[in-house]
Amino acid sequence: QVQLVQSGAEVKKPGASVKVSCKASGFSFSSYFMHWVRQAPGQGLEWMGIINTSDGGTRYAQKFQGRVIMTRDTSTSTVYMEVSSVRSEDTAVYYCARDLGAAAGHAFDIWGQGTMVTVSS
Amino acid sequence: QSTLTQPPSVSAAPGQRVTISCSGISSNIANNFVSWYQLLPGTAPKLLIFDDNKRPSGIPGRFSGSRSGTSATLDITGLQTGDEAEYYCATWDSSLSTGGFGGGTKVTVL
Repeated sequence: QVQLVQSGAEVKKPGASVKVSCKASGFSFSSYFMHWVRQAPGQGLEWMGIINTSDGGTRYAQKFQGRVIMTRDTSTSTVYMEVSSVRSEDTAVYYCARDLGAAAGHAFDIWGQGTMVTVSS
Repeated sequence: QSTLTQPPSVSAAPGQRVTISCSGISSNIANNFVSWYQLLPGTAPKLLIFDDNKRPSGIPGRFSGSRSGTSATLDITGLQTGDEAEYYCATWDSSLSTGGFGGGTKVTVL
């Protein structure tokens, strides 16, 4: 079935980097853009960026420019999201989500199960 | 900081109706479709509405959406206890070429 399966929980010290993976199955990977969204404890959903799985092009929220890198591996139908120089404010659940397309206002129809990233010294 | 504004909370009795508003600006809601998501504790968000008013397969007709100008709304009729959740609107910003969510609305069934 159509699904996105993310990597497991991570615990990082401040200043480290964390890389989360999201493996797609059940659909044509390169036909859909993918997004990353996070939710910090007690906070709302926050859009982080989008990756074109066909050519690897990316677009990030201004807040994450220079600190987040999104990549993809078409051979394994996997997208990755790496955050560098993490700080306590990056403690959150990180989700990948499939994009329904620009014609649908970039709605997110399929979501990964979420990956908890905890930043603590 | 989100440019989409939602009320923090709404509430109603079982069987009643709630309406959640989502207010934006010309570069986002006025020129792009809006989608809505339900977030239950400990679970991933679920798409309820896309293209302003379309429902994915499996979403009951009690959930409906609309958009006009720089605002959008989500209506939930025949409210059930299982509808207690947070609801988020989302859209694209044509000027920034970025996505964004509203701040979320907590629905309480009295």
